[in-house]
Amino acid sequence: GAGVSQSPSNKVTEKGKDVELRCDPISGHTALYWYRQSLGQGLEFLIYFQGNSAPDKSGLPSDRFSAERTGGSVSTLTIQRTQQEDSAVYLCASASTWRPTGELFFGEGSRLTVL
Amino acid sequence: AQKVTQAQTEISVVEKEDVTLDCVYETRDTTYYLFWYKQPPSGELVFLIRRNSFDEQNEISGRYSWNFQKSTSSFNFTITASQVVDSAVYFCALSERGETSGSRLTFGEGTQLTVNP
Repeated sequence: GAGVSQSPSNKVTEKGKDVELRCDPISGHTALYWYRQSLGQGLEFLIYFQGNSAPDKSGLPSDRFSAERTGGSVSTLTIQRTQQEDSAVYLCASASTWRPTGELFFGEGSRLTVL
Repeated sequence: AQKVTQAQTEISVVEKEDVTLDCVYETRDTTYYLFWYKQPPSGELVFLIRRNSFDEQNEISGRYSWNFQKSTSSFNFTITASQVVDSAVYFCALSERGETSGSRLTFGEGTQLTVNP
């Protein structure tokens, strides 16, 4: 489809395992964001990519979290040695401009459950 | 630091009632943008409106209206004649200005609106 695509939609893992979450932004969108939404909470910014610039990683909660964006398109968020507090919905969004006026287009999220 | 507060965690109304969702924000920027997003049960956030800090004119779109008051740092959202399909979580958000931060948004914690038939 033409929207932001995320996979998997649901992931259940055991504590201590690594997980990878994937985001396919809208074609042509240069900006890509990862947010985390814990149960009953608002959206917490994690990381932002804009073109070939260095990503803004200021929202990553610990060094167990990392993300990359290959070829300016697809992005992967990796969580190493998962903990129960990592359980949340991870939302990806893309935008067509870096200016602070741009509308963000969100995917449906990847729900992560750490047992 | 920028902050968005949505004091109403949950609101429940009966269909056809009007409902207002409150949003209060804090920022040191003189130029900023405010947004409202809707998150239906499917989980995908849907953009509703963007307002810049220099435009305090209220906006109406069908049953939706927005009241931006800079003096009170509020950007409230009213749904007139609510419908069951309006049931969702609504988020207010504030942009962070800057060359490197782009369209990074600071979100409030959301208001769960339930419209009962």
